[in-house]
Amino acid sequence: DQQVKQNSPSLSVQEGRISILNCDYTNSMFDYFLWYKKYPAEGPTFLISISSIKDKNEDGRFTVFLNKSAKHLSLHIVPSQPGDSAVYFCAAKQSSGDKLTFGTGTRLAVRP
Amino acid sequence: DAMVIQNPRYQVTQFGKPVTLSCSQTLNHNVMYWYQQKSSQAPKLLFHYYDKDFNNEADTPDNFQSRRPNTSFCFLDIRSPGLGDAAMYLCATSRDRPFEWTNPPRQFFGPGTRLTVL
Repeated sequence: DQQVKQNSPSLSVQEGRISILNCDYTNSMFDYFLWYKKYPAEGPTFLISISSIKDKNEDGRFTVFLNKSAKHLSLHIVPSQPGDSAVYFCAAKQSSGDKLTFGTGTRLAVRP
Repeated sequence: DAMVIQNPRYQVTQFGKPVTLSCSQTLNHNVMYWYQQKSSQAPKLLFHYYDKDFNNEADTPDNFQSRRPNTSFCFLDIRSPGLGDAAMYLCATSRDRPFEWTNPPRQFFGPGTRLTVL
């Protein structure tokens, strides 16, 4: 049972445009959400997060939106750059406990 | 630089031959995790250590064991690898602290060990 779903395995975007990566979850107990970025031959690195008490968190070119009623979150990257080309994982956790539940990832390709 | 190190980066073993993967960290984090990630799948938590306390996930096969001799090191032992155990194995660490809504908890990952089973 996949509790965190990233339904788009890949996304291709022109440099300078907006990239929107989506994530859905089924477990209503999740109250903290994170995005990790992974380059080939490297481990995932933390990118941005949001807690369920907020509906938006912004860090430079990266913004995460949370829609709790729809159990949906999205990561916006604007403007997209070729260096953003990577696999992006959505992850979720409960405020109690250490466990992260990951999605299957979306491979973003930013075309020059 | 403080980091999470995994050795080896690539490991080839034979069907049924025990194999050990290692992870070390210089972050002095008290929680260490082992994930298994198969191609095009989500990283799946196998188990984690909270200090010396071992926490096994319910669906982790008995074939997988772990040791944490000290804060810095953690090992993943696969007693009898099968073809289905071929995967990327990711080690991660975090510092346990009271949850703060505005200060995100995060895990720091190593580069992974890719295991091939022949």
